[in-house]
Amino acid sequence: ILNVEQSPQSLHVQEGDSTNFTCSFPSSNFYALHWYRWETAKSPEALFVMTLNGDEKKKGRISATLNTKEGYSYLYIKGSQPEDSATYLCASLNAGNNRKLIWGLGTSLAVNP
Amino acid sequence: DGGITQSPKYLFRKEGQNVTLSCEQNLNHDAMYWYRQDPGQGLRLIYYSQIVNDFQKGDIAEGYSVSREKKESFPLTVTSAQKNPTAFYLCASSAGERDYGYTFGSGTRLTVV
Repeated sequence: ILNVEQSPQSLHVQEGDSTNFTCSFPSSNFYALHWYRWETAKSPEALFVMTLNGDEKKKGRISATLNTKEGYSYLYIKGSQPEDSATYLCASLNAGNNRKLIWGLGTSLAVNP
Repeated sequence: DGGITQSPKYLFRKEGQNVTLSCEQNLNHDAMYWYRQDPGQGLRLIYYSQIVNDFQKGDIAEGYSVSREKKESFPLTVTSAQKNPTAFYLCASSAGERDYGYTFGSGTRLTVV
């Protein structure tokens, strides 16, 4: 069984703080890494899909990096706002796993105004 | 606008009854997925379909059944054989998980009464 681990489990920050969280995934037979934001009472929303070692992607104040050799990805939020409060999920796709994403448990972010 | 529609949002079932959860997409995606979420656990894959008239079991398929007669539709039946059906169910679709994120529906909360 392949495991995806996210840390921290939860995080409370003040508005304006920058923050980051980690996703660790199996590096063998790596295929792709997904990041999602899941706000309460809404559907999970795709943020990034990354496939290449060294990939960096950015969407507004949110960015992500990928290290496939050591099996980790970082998600950064610059200048957190209350609307960034959500659970951030990552999921790994590894070749030979019948194209099934393996999901982490998420990092729950609360941004206090 | 394109998207995924799940219905109903809330569903109550008596023990021993089968119920069917609807999932419809107008994104022209080939792949569709059903997930289950329980408190403290990551998303777990129930069934997935990569093409019309074909589907595969996920990690927790026992007690569930699906069909994929049309590209747009992927209904999930929770049968009486599912011993612990109370959960939140999410449907998703994808144009290709290596390069594209999943699009999720808003979910169905099933409660057995």
